[in-house]
Amino acid sequence: DVKVTQSSRYLVKRTGEKVFLECVQDMDHENMFWYRQDPGLGLRLIYFSYDVKMKEKGDIPEGYSVSREKKERFSLILESASTNQTSMYLCASSLRGANTEAFFGQGTRLTVV
Amino acid sequence: AQTVTQSQPEMSVQEAETVTLSCTYDTSENNYYLFWYKQPPSRQMILVIRQEAYKQQNATENRFSVNFQKAAKSFSLKISDSQLGDTAMYFCAFMYYANSKLTFGKGITLSVRP
Repeated sequence: DVKVTQSSRYLVKRTGEKVFLECVQDMDHENMFWYRQDPGLGLRLIYFSYDVKMKEKGDIPEGYSVSREKKERFSLILESASTNQTSMYLCASSLRGANTEAFFGQGTRLTVV
Repeated sequence: AQTVTQSQPEMSVQEAETVTLSCTYDTSENNYYLFWYKQPPSRQMILVIRQEAYKQQNATENRFSVNFQKAAKSFSLKISDSQLGDTAMYFCAFMYYANSKLTFGKGITLSVRP
């Protein structure tokens, strides 16, 4: 059974903290993605990676960075968390190439107080 | 850049009836793929159905089918014989042929009434 696992389901952090959201997939997928989901805005792409150590900015990269040192792991980093980063974060992975299904993690609901 | 529009924020349908969810998109590309994803209250996103733009035949997966109108850039999802388990958010998504980036619409909340 294919699996994308996000390290936390719920997370509460303080403003200004450095926050790490971890995502691991066991399907040997080349592509990995981080999305942010907000009510009324759908899913917006923050960053994606198409190979180890490779990354590209998505539509809303400001305030975020990513790291992919190993193929199976893709980390989203909030350098200095702010309250407007309170959101649901979804990680996904897929095989390289078009028309490939993206598999999603269960999401991390982050609250910044 | 591609945009995906889901103009209906929510819909409701009686169990066993048929419902159609609308989606339009805008792109200057000719080769692309379209998807419908479902997100139930458990939050786990799952693929419902996909459509290759170069195929004229509409995709079908059991009770789920699409009406793909390429010229109109429309991609609607029809759910037949609605079941309580179909209650979820549904997202329309676009993928350009040359890369694997998925662009999502804002989603629609579907409620199936018993």
